[in-house]
Amino acid sequence: GQNIDQPTEMTATEGAIVQINCTYQTSGFNGLFWYQQHAGEAPTFLSYNVLDGLEEKGRFSSFLSRSKGYSYLLLKELQMKDSASYLCAVGGGSYIPTFGRGTSLIVHP
Amino acid sequence: KAGVTQTPRYLIKTRGQQVTLSCSPISGHRSVSWYQQTPGQGLQFLFEYFSETQRNKGNFPGRFSGRQFSNSRSEMNVSTLELGDSALYLCASSLEGQYNSPLHFGNGTRLTVT
Repeated sequence: GQNIDQPTEMTATEGAIVQINCTYQTSGFNGLFWYQQHAGEAPTFLSYNVLDGLEEKGRFSSFLSRSKGYSYLLLKELQMKDSASYLCAVGGGSYIPTFGRGTSLIVHP
Repeated sequence: KAGVTQTPRYLIKTRGQQVTLSCSPISGHRSVSWYQQTPGQGLQFLFEYFSETQRNKGNFPGRFSGRQFSNSRSEMNVSTLELGDSALYLCASSLEGQYNSPLHFGNGTRLTVT
């Protein structure tokens, strides 16, 4: 089976750095995705990690440790528009990723 | 390129009725998957279609069904609606439905069952 855990809610200040963690236990592993979902909108793809290490993409970075079943999404220079839900999704034995319940990030001035 | 289009955006139905939701994937995408999103459970996988065949299925009752047409458009049907079916239903497409293929989501259909 699949089990994915991420914090329910986080708050941070504009301009700061925030790290959103995701831990997983899955039967089979074929990569980990992060998606961003603004309220009332569709989730949009942020990153994909399949090998250990850090992937940097502008203000956003994603890290993976397969041996620890752990990933994090790092958001730098936070902006108000970064207030959204961040979904961790793990590809297991099939083509279909399993999603965590999401972390609601609130950025305040 | 047009994104994933879902219709209708909002639906209100009563218990016992049935409903059909529609999804048009990004042109060229052959994999279409459906998810149910609720505040308590997050995104729950319903099923995935690839080249008109159901390739994967989640743990939902048989009241939930779907199909995919030759142009990759997909429909999802829910029969004998229950109050607990109230949710946002999201459709997502990907190019080949492979492990590293990111999903492209539509804006969803908000279903309310009264």
